[in-house]
Amino acid sequence: KQEVTQIPAALSVPEGENLVLNCSFTDSAIYNLQWFRQDPGKGLTSLLLIQSSQREQTSGRLNASLDKSSGRSTLYIAASQPGDSATYLCAVLNNAGNMLTFGGGTRLMVKP
Amino acid sequence: DAGITQSPRYKITETGRQVTLMCHQTWSHSYMFWYRQDLGHGLRLIYYSAAADITDKGEVPDGYVVSRSKTENFPLTLESATRSQTSVYFCASRQGINTEAFFGQGTRLTVV
Repeated sequence: KQEVTQIPAALSVPEGENLVLNCSFTDSAIYNLQWFRQDPGKGLTSLLLIQSSQREQTSGRLNASLDKSSGRSTLYIAASQPGDSATYLCAVLNNAGNMLTFGGGTRLMVKP
Repeated sequence: DAGITQSPRYKITETGRQVTLMCHQTWSHSYMFWYRQDLGHGLRLIYYSAAADITDKGEVPDGYVVSRSKTENFPLTLESATRSQTSVYFCASRQGINTEAFFGQGTRLTVV
């Protein structure tokens, strides 16, 4: 059974810092990996999707990397802002394409 | 409005009652999913559908029923609600196996 772990569970940083969120998964037989953000009481917003054949994806200040063989992904946030405060979730899609398994999330707070 | 919408946003029901949560997407995505989000368990897949009239069980299907007679709708029914089904329910959709999953805003269900 696929297990996805996110470390740290919570992170507090001052505004302007660059930061890295980590995601690890136990079964490397994945189709893709997706990063989401979730604001309190809200749904999930898709940030980046990385196919299993890709090494990284970038969107604005966000950069996600994937090392499928070692079962790891990182989300790099450059020049963090208070508006980045949210819970960040990573999820891996199995090869059958029918199950997206989520990590427990990293709760990020960026202080002004 | 385009996107994926869930209704109701909030629902309180009594133990033993039948309740249906609605999900509607305007993209004509092939895949649709139902997840529940609970503290300590994260997001878990209840049911998914690869196309109209095709549904299958996810990780935690007991006590739930789904149907998908039309591509755009994927209702989730709790046949006889129990307190353990108190949760936040999210519907999601995806066009294909290699595309992003998009989530609705969630339905907060309380069973008393």
